[in-house]
Amino acid sequence: GEDVEQSLFLSVREGDSSVINCTYTDSSSTYLYWYKQEPGAGLQLLTYIFSNMDMKQDQRLTVLLNKKDKHLSLRIADTQTGDSAIYFCAETTASGGSYIPTFGRGTSLIVHP
Amino acid sequence: EAGVAQSPRYKIIEKRQSVAFWCNPISGHATLYWYQQILGQGPKLLIQFQNNGVVDDSQLPKDRFSAERLKGVDSTLKIQPAKLEDSAVYLCASSLRLAGSTDTQYFGPGTRLTVL
Repeated sequence: GEDVEQSLFLSVREGDSSVINCTYTDSSSTYLYWYKQEPGAGLQLLTYIFSNMDMKQDQRLTVLLNKKDKHLSLRIADTQTGDSAIYFCAETTASGGSYIPTFGRGTSLIVHP
Repeated sequence: EAGVAQSPRYKIIEKRQSVAFWCNPISGHATLYWYQQILGQGPKLLIQFQNNGVVDDSQLPKDRFSAERLKGVDSTLKIQPAKLEDSAVYLCASSLRLAGSTDTQYFGPGTRLTVL
């Protein structure tokens, strides 16, 4: 079955760049997403990439996709303390006309002042 | 634009009791999802509705969980009877589901269930 793996923790200093990595197993993934979850809140979509793209940049966020290795990364430039949260990688696979999402376990990003 | 609304925000029950959660998706969103998020894990899809029809419920424990979306708008998720391992945050999400879209999901704040 589909599986999405992420490292559990990442600690960075304020102002540095953060890179959160994700691997997935389903080669038929159509879209790959990054969500942010702050304590006590639901998930907030940060960005997404279609599976035929290699890179997508959106302000401080850069998503890189290596489809051959099934590896996705999220780079946050100039990381701020407000970026401290759990970041989830997710993929969707088309199945019978619907899109079935699978999430990773999340990476806790801790930003030190 | 109002977001996805869920209630209650918190619920504490004893095992073997019943509980129901309610979700109001974003207006006009055809697709509604219920997820279970156990502490320290990512959300796991329980059921997906397209309007008032079930698209996928393969991970819904049907012996105790049920969900409905009778008029294609609001939805309820019920657990009867609850077990200790049902303690989790139950997230509702909705998406517009335009053909060829990214199917972006918008999440509600969740209902935190504690089963004692």
